[in-house]
Amino acid sequence: DAGITQSPRHKVTETGTPVTLRCHQTENHRYMYWYRQDPGHGLRLIHYSYGVKDTDKGEVSDGYSVSRSKTEDFLLTLESATSSQTSVYFCAIRKEWGRTDTQYFGPGTRLTVL
Amino acid sequence: GQQVMQIPQYQHVQEGEDFTTYCNSSTTLSNIQWYKQRPGGHPVFLIQLVKSGEVKKQKRLTFQFGEAKKNSSLHITATQTTDVGTYFCAGEDTDKLIFGTGTRLQVFP
Repeated sequence: DAGITQSPRHKVTETGTPVTLRCHQTENHRYMYWYRQDPGHGLRLIHYSYGVKDTDKGEVSDGYSVSRSKTEDFLLTLESATSSQTSVYFCAIRKEWGRTDTQYFGPGTRLTVL
Repeated sequence: GQQVMQIPQYQHVQEGEDFTTYCNSSTTLSNIQWYKQRPGGHPVFLIQLVKSGEVKKQKRLTFQFGEAKKNSSLHITATQTTDVGTYFCAGEDTDKLIFGTGTRLQVFP
């Protein structure tokens, strides 16, 4: 699936601890996205990147930061995790083919904050 | 900001019955995309609709884009157990997608 991996795949942490999730792609796509998925809310965009060191906020960015120092890696950091950040996190890349831009998703990271 | 609403939230059907999910945007969309997420999996792109009134078919799945480009629907004819999952529509907003809340389909054999 477009060479996207996420690590870790599962994580349990405690409130107040920092957490970093990693998204890695092998196809050199310019755009990368971080979403969280919660029951009843669908997929909500946290942050996205349109190039190395170029990032922007999504609709639920509070409590999250991102970094992209290399094209292939997009990191999502929770500076001080809270229980409300328990969720499944998906990374995605944007693939452009012809007149269609579609997103391809990684396998997801299930994060539990106790 | 742009909002994309999707109904119903859940649908349980008997295998062989039809299924439809509806997507409505608060603003006119340049295009709409549909994704399917199997239980425990990640969203997978199904199709993109661009033109007003466009209808596309993929086997038993029929996708429509409204004339005003503010709504869309996905219809599955004669559901099968392999259709189980959550179906999301998504509208494009500059460099990002705004996803609907999804419709979870359960199919009973």
